[in-house]
Amino acid sequence: TQLLEQSPQFLSIQEGENLTVYCNSSSVFSSLQWYRQEPGEGPVLLVTVVTGGEVKKLKRLTFQFGDARKDSSLHITAAQPGDTGLYLCAGESRTGRRALTFGSGTRLQVQP
Amino acid sequence: NAGVTQTPKFQVLKTGQSMTLQCAQDMNHNSMYWYRQDPGMGLRLIYYSASEGTTDKGEVPNGYNVSRLNKREFSLRLESAAPSQTSVYFCASSEVFVGTGFNEQYFGPGTRLTVT
Repeated sequence: TQLLEQSPQFLSIQEGENLTVYCNSSSVFSSLQWYRQEPGEGPVLLVTVVTGGEVKKLKRLTFQFGDARKDSSLHITAAQPGDTGLYLCAGESRTGRRALTFGSGTRLQVQP
Repeated sequence: NAGVTQTPKFQVLKTGQSMTLQCAQDMNHNSMYWYRQDPGMGLRLIYYSASEGTTDKGEVPNGYNVSRLNKREFSLRLESAAPSQTSVYFCASSEVFVGTGFNEQYFGPGTRLTVT
């Protein structure tokens, strides 16, 4: 069974601070996705990273895929209250079923 | 374009009762999924349907059944609800392209189920 561990589980910061969320596994993934989920809603895809070492930027969010494609990080610069939510990473393996393995999530609260 | 829709949004059941959760997508996706989300455990796959006419078990299938009614609709049935099935249930869909495609999923708003 492939497992994805996310850290930290909870993060409460002030508006304007920077933060990094980590997603780690002992398994290799063909791609890794990050989703954000707001209270009472379903997860929404933010980005997919595919190549080892790949970096993608989405405004103030920077996503990186580890060189060995076993881990990923999400860095938020100058966090805003609108960034509040649950951040989930999900890995896809090309072997077997084409289903995603989700991490347990990082709950971020940005205080104004 | 509604994306993925789920009904009902909330449901309370007594132990032993049955119910069906409905899911529909209008994006012409081939693959559909049912997940449950419990506090601190992320999303766990219950069943999935890679294409119309096929269904397969996921990580936690016990106590559930599914039906892929057509390309648009994928339902989840609880035959005899148990308190351990209290959870938030999400349906998702994706178009998994052959070769270099990725399984990027689109989620519905969820059904919050309580079993007493």
